[in-house]
Amino acid sequence: DVKVTQSSRYLVKRTGEKVFLECVQDMDHENMFWYRQDPGLGLRLIYFSYDVKMKEKGDIPEGYSVSREKKERFSLILESASTNQTSMYLCASNEGGQGLLDTQYFGPGTRLTVL
Amino acid sequence: GQQVMQIPQYQHVQEGEDFTTYCNSSTTLSNIQWYKQRPGGHPVFLIQLVKSGEVKKQKRLTFQFGEAKKNSSLHITATQTTDVGTYFCAGPLQSNYQLIWGAGTKLIIKP
Repeated sequence: DVKVTQSSRYLVKRTGEKVFLECVQDMDHENMFWYRQDPGLGLRLIYFSYDVKMKEKGDIPEGYSVSREKKERFSLILESASTNQTSMYLCASNEGGQGLLDTQYFGPGTRLTVL
Repeated sequence: GQQVMQIPQYQHVQEGEDFTTYCNSSTTLSNIQWYKQRPGGHPVFLIQLVKSGEVKKQKRLTFQFGEAKKNSSLHITATQTTDVGTYFCAGPLQSNYQLIWGAGTKLIIKP
């Protein structure tokens, strides 16, 4: 079974803090993704990575950065957290390429609250 | 840009009634995927449809992909409490590795 883990299920931070969210997958997947999920808005892609050290912006990258130094690990960084970044953050991965291989596997999510 | 619209946003049903959610894409999709997210959980892959006009069944769930590969539906017959959650459709973006997600339909069973 594919396993995607995230470093925290719940996180509370203060405005202006630097926040690190970690994601690890154990299936040697090429692609990894960070989404945020807000009620009524579905899943919105923040960043994704298709290879080590490679990244591409998604739909809402502002206020976020990412790091992928190893294939299995994809980090999301909030340089200076703001209250409008309070959300559920979901990490996902897939094998790579498109077509039948692009099913995504999700981690359990991190619910971040910024006070 | 490429969009996937999903309706309705919510559907309240009595247990035993049917449920349907619809997805429409602004462009032709190579495939469409459906995911289910239980309350408090994360999205879990249900199925992928690839062929024009394809219909697939999983027990009480029926998935359809339109002839033009621009729309899809999920129908649940005789809902049960275990069906509660949010159902998402998603299709690949033409230009890269992304999936474009519908906003989801939340299935709520009336008490």
